[in-house]
Amino acid sequence: DAGVTQSPTHLIKTRGQQVTLRCSPKSGHDTVSWYQQALGQGPQFIFQYYEEEERQRGNFPDRFSGHQFPNYSSELNVNALLLGDSALYLCASSDNRGIQETQYFGPGTRLLVL
Amino acid sequence: QQQVKQSPQSLIVQKGGISIINCAYENTAFDYFPWYQQFPGKGPALLIAIRPDVSEKKEGRFTISFNKSAKQFSLHIMDSQPGDSATYFCAARGNTGGFKTIFGAGTRLFVKA
Repeated sequence: DAGVTQSPTHLIKTRGQQVTLRCSPKSGHDTVSWYQQALGQGPQFIFQYYEEEERQRGNFPDRFSGHQFPNYSSELNVNALLLGDSALYLCASSDNRGIQETQYFGPGTRLLVL
Repeated sequence: QQQVKQSPQSLIVQKGGISIINCAYENTAFDYFPWYQQFPGKGPALLIAIRPDVSEKKEGRFTISFNKSAKQFSLHIMDSQPGDSATYFCAARGNTGGFKTIFGAGTRLFVKA
């Protein structure tokens, strides 16, 4: 049973560019959350997707947007990249139909903005 | 009000000792308190979790103690092992739609052999 997968594993972009990160949830999970983890910090909640809609959002600007597909996979898009966007981006999936509490995290995508 | 404050920032424990990490929260709407373990290059993995109607939960060498009136909770790792060396995050999740999880800043634990 594959866990949460994310791609790519690493990414280097320059300021002003746009980036798309991808996430496939654990089998059987229908809810995907995205987090930003700066070096030496805890993960910060970006937003959560359920039934292809953004259900809740953290304190992130509109440059951060996302999408969920009918197969429950998800994308995180960041426009007009800033140096401060350099971080590990984590995707977590959970099952909204059962025990919602357990979130399973993927290994993350490490984004470096130069 | 949405913060979860975690201490200490780092911790060094001898093998076989007890590691203790503390967290405090403000928002009484939080109803689920997980602890995550993260190794370098990996995503966080759920270690143990507790709800506020329980004062203690134990799973193997890991115990959560919860003090609802003080709005504090802690993780105890008994018989700490070098393999426990990792970063530990406490977290809290609300009971409103979306179940946003708020993480503490993390504690880097190093267990000396």
